[in-house]
Amino acid sequence: NAGVMQNPRHLVRRRGQEARLRCSPMKGHSHVYWYRQLPEEGLKFMVYLQKENIIDESGMPKERFSAEFPKEGPSILRIQQVVRGDSAAYFCASSPGVTDTQYFGPGTRLTVL
Amino acid sequence: EDKVVQSPLSLVVHEGDTVTLNCSYEVTNFRSLLWYKQEKKAPTFLFMLTSSGIEKKSGRLSSILDKKELFSILNITATQTGDSAIYLCAVTAGNQFYFGTGTSLTVIP
Repeated sequence: NAGVMQNPRHLVRRRGQEARLRCSPMKGHSHVYWYRQLPEEGLKFMVYLQKENIIDESGMPKERFSAEFPKEGPSILRIQQVVRGDSAAYFCASSPGVTDTQYFGPGTRLTVL
Repeated sequence: EDKVVQSPLSLVVHEGDTVTLNCSYEVTNFRSLLWYKQEKKAPTFLFMLTSSGIEKKSGRLSSILDKKELFSILNITATQTGDSAIYLCAVTAGNQFYFGTGTSLTVIP
């Protein structure tokens, strides 16, 4: 059973471009969480999704950021018009249920030039 | 292969007990070790450890890192039911971030 997969592992964008980060949850997991890793603070929650539904997006900036988890395919975190401050590691986790252990992916490191 | 191993996987204690959670790691280019408390929504950051032998303390929680033996412990004294959670250990190494699978702690009144 493969773990949580994220791609790309590294992504470089210029200011103003779009970044798309993908997360494939573990088999059998229908809950996906996105986090951003900030230096010295650890993980910061962004959004929680179930298949085709956004359950909690309280940690996601209101502008430029969006997330989806379609019926088929991976969950996608999309950042439009990236700025330097978006440079960070973005982690995805999945779980079979909301109270279950979350399993983390290896992360995508986004660098905005 | 780099890895982070936590033990025990789960633990049930009574209120007032003291617990010790373990995290061992095997990574190259170690930078730091982090502890999180994970409740319903998202992990809450507890400690970041980078130096051996220096205890970090926050209330009833404390943690220490041993870089020679490659492990860390998280101690919780006088446990309360609100301490029930999954405790995650993560290690940063180079540009990578590795999580353990967590220790599930249940505190019974």
